[in-house]
Order: sequence, then C-alpha cells, then structure tokens
Amino acid sequence: GIQVEQSPPDLILQEGANSTLRCNFSDSVNNLQWFHQNPWGQLINLFYIPSGTKQNGRLSATTVATERYSLLYISSSQTTDSGVYFCAVEQGTGGFKTIFGAGTRLFVKA
Amino acid sequence: NAGVMQNPRHLVRRRGQEARLRCSPMKGHSHVYWYRQLPEEGLKFMVYLQKENIIDESGMPKERFSAEFPKEGPSILRIQQVVRGDSAAYFCASGGTDLRYEQYFGPGTRLTVT
Repeated sequence: GIQVEQSPPDLILQEGANSTLRCNFSDSVNNLQWFHQNPWGQLINLFYIPSGTKQNGRLSATTVATERYSLLYISSSQTTDSGVYFCAVEQGTGGFKTIFGAGTRLFVKA
Repeated sequence: NAGVMQNPRHLVRRRGQEARLRCSPMKGHSHVYWYRQLPEEGLKFMVYLQKENIIDESGMPKERFSAEFPKEGPSILRIQQVVRGDSAAYFCASGGTDLRYEQYFGPGTRLTVT
C-alpha cells in the first residue's frame, strides 16, 4: 500500500521562527489534507490540498502531486502552534483508504 | 469540524464487555470514517461508510469489530469482547455527499479497557 513519510519527526522552535514540514508519499493520491492535533487531542483541519498552493494566515501549503510531496509552511510561530501536524492522503487506486503519516511533533518555546 | 459529534467522550469497559461508540456527522454529510489512535502514534484507518453501505473496511480487524451507518441515526462502531489492546482514542470524521471528500473530525472517544 501507499507509504506516507513526514519529516522532521520532532521540531523545537523559538517563538517567532519559521519552519517547513514535509510529507512524501509513495504513489498517486486523490486527496491530501494537513491536520493539527492540539495538546488536547483535537484534530483541526488546516488544508485540503491535493495539488497547488494555499494560504491561510501564517500557514501555507504546497502540494506537487507529480513529484509526490507536500510542504506545510509555518511563519512567525506562536506557542499555540505546538502539537502534532499530520499529513493524510487518500490512495488513488484500489479503494478509499486514508493513510496518515506518523506526524511532526512541534514545540514552540516562548 | 465542530459539527461532528461523538459520544461518549470517555468510555471505560472491563475485559470481555462490549463497547459502542457513536458518531453523528456534520449536517449535510453522508459519509463517515472511523480511525483508531494508539498513544503517541498516528491515526489508523478502520472503515469508511456511506448511509446503509460500507464503502471500504480494509482497516477493520477481522474479529470483534463492526461498524454501521443506518439510514436514520448516528454511525456506530461496535467492539465486542474488548481486550486491553483495544484501549485507544477512536476518532470519527465525516465527509460530504460525494466520495473522496474533505474530512472533518469529531473530538474522539477515549476507550479504556480495565
């Protein structure tokens, strides 16, 4: 089945710093989403981005489907950005299974 | 995603009992996904349902687990004869009226098996 790899696994930032999170996938996908799981466990939708570029405030994302990767950019990080960031893809063929990456655990220091 | 409701939020069961987890999708959504998250791990797909129809159950364990999404009422994830390894957070997500749609997550049900 499709493999989803996220990097880095862990990231510590000083408040105000910028960062880039990466998601690589091994096969064609129909959909790709980025989620933030906050310290209370809630999953928050960030982007629905099977291709192209989107921006929402301090966050932006780019997916290059032909090269099988997606990037999530966080600018001017804040302590409330802490948590785990997941990339999730829906496989392109052979079913409707959604595969999550292992996540990037982000801690933003004040 | 605040519109997806799950209950109960916390559930404690003794080994051998049954657990029933409920998920009400967002208004207007007709597709439901169930996922399991073990501590410090990512989410694992279990099943994808449309009303009265299972679309993909390739992530469901072969035994003791079942899911349904009836024409009326919430989707139910049922775990029979629970074991300690079933202790996890179970998340439900809902999608729109078409296949392959953006997913919105509920708050999850934390199942603890004693």
